[in-house]
Amino acid sequence: DTAVSQTPKYLVTQMGNDKSIKCEQNLGHDTMYWYKQDSKKFLKIMFSYNNKELIINETVPNRFSPKSPDKAHLNLHINSLELGDSAVYFCASSQAANTEAFFGQGTRLTVV
Amino acid sequence: AQSVTQLDSQVPVFEEAPVELRCNYSSSVSVYLFWYVQYPNQGLQLLLKYLSGSTLVESINGFEAEFNKSQTSFHLRKPSVHISDTAEYFCAVSEGGQAGTALIFGKGTTLSVSS
Repeated sequence: DTAVSQTPKYLVTQMGNDKSIKCEQNLGHDTMYWYKQDSKKFLKIMFSYNNKELIINETVPNRFSPKSPDKAHLNLHINSLELGDSAVYFCASSQAANTEAFFGQGTRLTVV
Repeated sequence: AQSVTQLDSQVPVFEEAPVELRCNYSSSVSVYLFWYVQYPNQGLQLLLKYLSGSTLVESINGFEAEFNKSQTSFHLRKPSVHISDTAEYFCAVSEGGQAGTALIFGKGTTLSVSS
């Protein structure tokens, strides 16, 4: 059983499109995150949810909108995709807000 | 605000040699510290963590790290590396016991082990 799973693993799309990335965790954790890893492998926190409530919303364009239908799921919707959005997006979860995080395999988004 | 500095972006080393990957952090409160490893095209896996207690923590595959509060460091060491240790290593910090925070990562160190 995969602890944190995200789909799709690869996503190639044209500029201007809208796309979603889904994430599910079966660890029973209360907190979920989205991180962005750029081409230089730098990992930056984007959002954090605790029990479906938005806790962290870093300086991210409002084209990015997280949605948490329940505490096991945290999806990321991106509107009007731009070339600069190309990156690997990681979903993660943790039992408490700042303890060790368990990561998904990542979604490599390529905007052309 | 917290920050993490990984002093070496790339560390090349020969197989069976010792290695140290350096990590310094900045925080005004008590912290939790982590090392993660990322193999090519994979997600991040927790290597080891310091939450409290003994300042020397070990992983199951021979890595160890020591929390040094006075030097605000959490360097990762292994006495003898293998080819399979080739990967990207990330140091991370969070504010211990503070709700509403997330792990903050350093920029990573690429460990390249050659024969």
